[in-house]
Amino acid sequence: AQSVTQPDIHITVSEGASLELRCNYSYGATPYLFWYVQSPGQGLQLLLKYFSGDTLVQGIKGFEAEFKRSQSSFNLRKPSVHWSDAAEYFCAVGGLNDYKLSFGAGTTVTVRA
Amino acid sequence: DADVTQTPRNRITKTGKRIMLECSQTKGHDRMYWYRQDPGLGLRLIYYSFDVKDINKGEISDGYSVSRQAQAKFSLSLESAIPNQTALYFCATSDYGGEQYFGPGTRLTVT
Repeated sequence: AQSVTQPDIHITVSEGASLELRCNYSYGATPYLFWYVQSPGQGLQLLLKYFSGDTLVQGIKGFEAEFKRSQSSFNLRKPSVHWSDAAEYFCAVGGLNDYKLSFGAGTTVTVRA
Repeated sequence: DADVTQTPRNRITKTGKRIMLECSQTKGHDRMYWYRQDPGLGLRLIYYSFDVKDINKGEISDGYSVSRQAQAKFSLSLESAIPNQTALYFCATSDYGGEQYFGPGTRLTVT
């Protein structure tokens, strides 16, 4: 069965500091991996995705993520956070022949001035 | 205009009432999905559809039904709403094997 674990429920970070959100997945075949962001009152927006190839992927809003097959991880990073990055972040896993995505429970990011 | 729209955006209803949530998309995707989001649980799949004649149950379909009226339209119904169906509901679409595109969500409260 496929599953996603986001170990951190809530992270608080200072504006301008770096941010790393952890994601561990379980999937029986080659995974497709995604990070989505949900701002308050909004739907989910895709930040970045990994299908194959270079294990370091760049996304929108200055985010990047690194796929590590040996650790079954797909951690999200941003070098310098902005107040507008305060949101909930979801990691998800799927596959080429899969009908659905499985989502983690989410990590809420608070940015303090 | 948004690619995936949902109506209504907010709804308060009473226990036992029937309610329909609607979703429309302009992305031309065949696949459509309904999820519910609850705090601390992430998104859970209710139903999904690969085309007008292909509808499938997800992991939490009990108490829900769906209708795929056209490629672009996918509705979710609660036949007899109950308070534990209070949640945020999302519609999504996707191309084959790709990322999913989400609507803005419907906040449903059942009193």
